[in-house]
Amino acid sequence: AQSVAQPEDQVNVAEGNPLTVKCTYSVSGNPYLFWYVQYPNRGLQFLLKYITGDNLVKGSYGFEAEFNKSQTSFHLKKPSALVSDSALYFCAVRKTEGRRALTFGSGTRLQVQP
Amino acid sequence: GAVVSQHPSRVICKSGTSVKIECRSLDFQATTMFWYRQFPKKSLMLMATSNEGSKATYEQGVEKDKFLINHASLTLSTLTVTSAHPEDSSFYICSAPIPGYEQFFGPGTRLTVL
Repeated sequence: AQSVAQPEDQVNVAEGNPLTVKCTYSVSGNPYLFWYVQYPNRGLQFLLKYITGDNLVKGSYGFEAEFNKSQTSFHLKKPSALVSDSALYFCAVRKTEGRRALTFGSGTRLQVQP
Repeated sequence: GAVVSQHPSRVICKSGTSVKIECRSLDFQATTMFWYRQFPKKSLMLMATSNEGSKATYEQGVEKDKFLINHASLTLSTLTVTSAHPEDSSFYICSAPIPGYEQFFGPGTRLTVL
């Protein structure tokens, strides 16, 4: 079975400071990894993905994530946080083979203070 | 980019009635769609995989007779919550995978059962 852990329910950061939202995963074989963002009462918006290749993946709105196979992590980062980045962030995983449904982490609420 | 729509965005119904939620892929064909359920402050839980032209595949613990799924065409999947009860109140989100590995999510449907 595959699983995703987001150890922080909430991350608080001041505007302009760098942010990190943590994610670790467990899957047999090679993973496809994703980050999505959710605003209140909205669906999920795709931020970025890791499929293969460079471990550092750049995505939408200035976000990036680093795939670390040895630590089975895929932390989301941004060099300078904006107040508008405040939202709920989900890490997700699926296996490279087989079913395409995603397994999601529990979500991390990012709060960026002005 | 690919767009997935859901209708209605919000529905309130009386206990014992049935509610139908539509999920449409607007500019691409989706032989598979996924239905997720999100509880307040919780992650998304996969309910079922909707397959065009065949029966849906339900996750363990999801009552197939209660959550009826029909994939009527390559662009439409419907979820019908039958004999709804207050515990069925939730945020339901559909998604459709596209070539390129990611999935696009609908905006979600907030169901409230009185």
